[in-house]
Amino acid sequence: QKEVEQDPGPLSVPEGAIVSLNCTYSNSAFQYFMWYRQYSRKGPELLMYTYSSGNKEDGRFTAQVDKSSKYISLFIRDSQPSDSATYLCAMSVHGNQFYFGTGTSLTVIP
Amino acid sequence: DTAVSQTPKYLVTQMGNDKSIKCEQNLGHDTMYWYKQDSKKFLKIMFSYNNKELIINETVPNRFSPKSPDKAHLNLHINSLELGDSAVYFCASSPPGLAKETQYFGPGTRLLVL
Repeated sequence: QKEVEQDPGPLSVPEGAIVSLNCTYSNSAFQYFMWYRQYSRKGPELLMYTYSSGNKEDGRFTAQVDKSSKYISLFIRDSQPSDSATYLCAMSVHGNQFYFGTGTSLTVIP
Repeated sequence: DTAVSQTPKYLVTQMGNDKSIKCEQNLGHDTMYWYKQDSKKFLKIMFSYNNKELIINETVPNRFSPKSPDKAHLNLHINSLELGDSAVYFCASSPPGLAKETQYFGPGTRLLVL
């Protein structure tokens, strides 16, 4: 079993839709949870970072962590064509070794 | 003012050759990483260095040897290249302290072994 599981998609939504991206994990020791966005042929860029459980909001993006269910989510409100990318979740116990999901490919159709 | 840079961006080579990829960061970070991303976009850590010292060495063939001449540089040398080494290799760096989870990635080096 992989440490982190993520549905690869692809996910296709119309512009303006609310997008929900999810990851599950098996290691209950994970404390740091990140979401990265990766455009085609580019390196991943950090979108959101959360420590332990709870919600974090940044503009149109909301990250949620439910440690009891070992489940994290990223919500994108009012999705835009520029949000079309692959979204990778990542997790860490101590912050020096990161485990990534396989990424979900998202396309927002104008 | 590129934060994390890698050279070369593309590398096409024959099986059995030896090649190196270079990485430099100008962010003043203490920790640097090498990741391998396969064709299915799975990103897996290979090595991590902190202040020029190796701190993470995942199960990677010993044909792969990282070298950190200073805090700002982490190079990756690959001996006897194999077809399965074809992938995108990303360098990343992270700051010390509480923000160390925030990693900054380079643009990637696309390696194709023929």
